[in-house]
Amino acid sequence: QVQLVQSGAEVKKPGASVKVSCKTSGFTFSTCALVWVRQAPGQRLEWMGWINVGSGDTKYSQKFQGRVTITRDTPASTGYMELSSLTSEDTAVYYCAKDAWASIDSWGQGTPVTVSS
Amino acid sequence: DVVLTQSPLSLPVTLGQPASISCRSSQSLVHSDGNTYLNWFQQRPGQTPRRLIYKVSVRDSGVPDKFSGSGSGTDFTLKISRVEAEDVGVYYCLQGAHWPWTFGQGTKVEIK
Repeated sequence: QVQLVQSGAEVKKPGASVKVSCKTSGFTFSTCALVWVRQAPGQRLEWMGWINVGSGDTKYSQKFQGRVTITRDTPASTGYMELSSLTSEDTAVYYCAKDAWASIDSWGQGTPVTVSS
Repeated sequence: DVVLTQSPLSLPVTLGQPASISCRSSQSLVHSDGNTYLNWFQQRPGQTPRRLIYKVSVRDSGVPDKFSGSGSGTDFTLKISRVEAEDVGVYYCLQGAHWPWTFGQGTKVEIK
């Protein structure tokens, strides 16, 4: 079955960077696209970006442009999302997810990231 | 960016009664390939979101038929024919027709 297993919770200081991994199985990673979404406490879901695993093409939300980098390691069937220059406003649960029909059909379990001095 | 406006934001419903959530888009969600990429997700308290509907009206496998999606262009609706206790949560629409994808604000469904 399709699985996306994310790395564990992170605590970071303001100004630092965080890199979240997303190990996938149960589908052909090389032909898929991955999406990254975050959810701050009590807030709505927020789309961050997308990567076509085969081509490496990426799309980012303008809100995070310049701070977010989405990459993949195809042999390892793993996707990554790195967010830099963290502030307290970046405290959220970060999800990786699988694109299907310009949508999301499977989600990782989420990675809580806390930014605090 | 495409703005998705959901209404209502809070929806108290009596058990067994129907519920309806609207999602209005700031621009048409018809993609150049002819498909309309409007999706609905359910997020139960403390859980990961789950997709219910994609391409306006296609129900995901395992989703009860009490959930239905409809609409076209810029106006879309999710209906629950008879609300049960397990339907409590926040419902989001998501558009994938234009970059960047965007979510609605969410509609919180609760039991009256």
